[in-house]
Amino acid sequence: GAVVSQHPSRVICKSGTSVKIECRSLDFQATTMFWYRQFPKQSLMLMATSNEGSKATYEQGVEKDKFLINHASLTLSTLTVTSAHPEDSSFYICSAPTSGGSDTQYFGPGTRLTVL
Amino acid sequence: KQEVTQIPAALSVPEGENLVLNCSFTDSAIYNLQWFRQDPGKGLTSLLLIQSSQREQTSGRLNASLDKSSGRSTLYIAASQPGDSATYLCAAPLILSGNTPLVFGKGTRLSVIA
Repeated sequence: GAVVSQHPSRVICKSGTSVKIECRSLDFQATTMFWYRQFPKQSLMLMATSNEGSKATYEQGVEKDKFLINHASLTLSTLTVTSAHPEDSSFYICSAPTSGGSDTQYFGPGTRLTVL
Repeated sequence: KQEVTQIPAALSVPEGENLVLNCSFTDSAIYNLQWFRQDPGKGLTSLLLIQSSQREQTSGRLNASLDKSSGRSTLYIAASQPGDSATYLCAAPLILSGNTPLVFGKGTRLSVIA
């Protein structure tokens, strides 16, 4: 089946720094990717929809200037957490639906962000 | 807009027991429903995907059902094993399409005791 990768899998950073997370579709093209966030013992919540070649769409309550999304190619979307703070510590997961009539979405393995 | 609820939040059973996890959704015009497994600190593993036209799907010891009229899905796990211990999430597309983000329930944390 299709594979979605994320990098890094785990990152620890100091408060105030920026962190970039990459989401790649390895064997299919993804014009759309979704970014989710999961706080401890909570479910996944959609943060934003990443669209290749256009601006991302953010969910209510998600600051677009803090969570920068760039979908520069058909296989790569990046999420940059700018000026990270401890409350941004979370598990970030991306997903990509395949095209061609398939209903399956493939999820990346996630990135654990810890902000000290 | 779809909303998904799962009960119970946690479940503990002895090894070998059959069990049922419940998922309910608000919009019966559901496109499909998917069950995932998540181990602590890990990503999602897709278990079963049920299309709107289907009533159930089976994979090994797992059987998932879908009842659109009642807004419910169940995940049946037969002969549970300690290795089944994980959080189980159900999810459905936000709107009536496959290529939209998924709405997740809060999950059921399963512990199978040896």
